[in-house]
Amino acid sequence: AQSVTQLGSHVSVSEGALVLLRCNYSSSVPPYLFWYVQYPNQGLQLLLKYTSAATLVKGINGFEAEFKKSETSFHLTKPSAHMSDAAEYFCAVSHGSGNTGKLIFGQGTTLQVKP
Amino acid sequence: SAVISQKPSRDICQRGTSLTIQCQVDSQVTMMFWYRQQPGQSLTLIATANQGSEATYESGFVIDKFPISRPNLTFSTLTVSNMSPEDSSIYLCSAGPGGAEAFFGQGTRLTVV
Repeated sequence: AQSVTQLGSHVSVSEGALVLLRCNYSSSVPPYLFWYVQYPNQGLQLLLKYTSAATLVKGINGFEAEFKKSETSFHLTKPSAHMSDAAEYFCAVSHGSGNTGKLIFGQGTTLQVKP
Repeated sequence: SAVISQKPSRDICQRGTSLTIQCQVDSQVTMMFWYRQQPGQSLTLIATANQGSEATYESGFVIDKFPISRPNLTFSTLTVSNMSPEDSSIYLCSAGPGGAEAFFGQGTRLTVV
């Protein structure tokens, strides 16, 4: 069975500082991993995905994530935070071994960006 | 990618009534999914909607409460039946067009009073 744990329900950074949002996964099969962002009163937008190709994945809005099998981690980073990055971020893993789009989500991390 | 449209975007309903949420995808997809996001919480999968067969429900969700239709490869509906205030949530539709990732609609914000 798959599961996702996001460490830290709330992260606060200053504008221009490094953003690091932590995600650890558990999977009995090679995982597909995702980061989504949810802005207030909106649906979910895909930031990036790992599907067994390059372990360092680049996404939209300057975000990237590195898949580390030995650490079962898929942490999300951005070198310099912008005020517009303030949102809820969800890490997700594919359910099962297929590529159906069925996902299991972590609890989410709220990113606050201070001026 | 896929563009997913949901309606209504929000609604306020009386307890004991039912609400049907519609989800339209701009391309044909095999599977569609319905999630619930309770206030301040993450997304929980309600069910998988397959075209031509009954929906598959996750533990804790039943067909009588959340009946789902999937009449074709681009459309699905979720009904929230006999609503109570505990059903107040965001309901999201998603679809995976085959690239492993899922695309989401904007969600339906339901308040039950």
